[in-house]
Amino acid sequence: NAGVTQTPKFRVLKTGQSMTLLCAQDMNHEYMYWYRQDPGMGLRLIHYSVGEGTTAKGEVPDGYNVSRLKKQNFLLGLESAAPSQTSVYFCASSSTRDRPFYEQYFGPGTRLTVT
Amino acid sequence: SQQGEEDPQALSIQEGENATMNCSYKTSINNLQWYRQNSGRGLVHLILIRSNEREKHSGRLRVTLDTSKKSSSLLITASRAADTASYFCATAPLSNDYKLSFGAGTTVTVRA
Repeated sequence: NAGVTQTPKFRVLKTGQSMTLLCAQDMNHEYMYWYRQDPGMGLRLIHYSVGEGTTAKGEVPDGYNVSRLKKQNFLLGLESAAPSQTSVYFCASSSTRDRPFYEQYFGPGTRLTVT
Repeated sequence: SQQGEEDPQALSIQEGENATMNCSYKTSINNLQWYRQNSGRGLVHLILIRSNEREKHSGRLRVTLDTSKKSSSLLITASRAADTASYFCATAPLSNDYKLSFGAGTTVTVRA
């Protein structure tokens, strides 16, 4: 099992450009999450999904959109990148089999720089 | 908003010593989890303690939870160079318990 994978690993964007980050998991997990990690701030939840076709806003959703068309994939989109979106982005997943003690499994991260 | 706050922010110890870090949180929880992050990597789950548990062990890890004080501690005994990492506590709320709230982390450096 690959677990949680993220594509790409690194990306540099110019202000105003758009991009999509892809997260894939092969553990058949129902729940998936996108976080951003900034120095000294820990992880902040951007959006999450509790199942295929469903998404919800987290703590810092502005400037991001998500889609979960397939259970194993969770996409994070930046429509018009801003320097404030320079960060490391992590995807995670968890299983309802662990309810109510949900352990999260993380991908390796995507380092995004917006100039 | 972040629920958990770790203390200290950074810790430097000699190999073989114990490392202790603390986590405080604000609202009632279903459980509390600790994760480790090696430099440039994703987070890895270490241990989960339920709200009705006071202490839990896993190998060289010992976690305590005091719900009356809304605090937890993580003890790593007989530390090794491989324990050099950042450690994060994460709290699960009573409702929507799948949504974890992470603290800012404690960076631990183990000197050889």
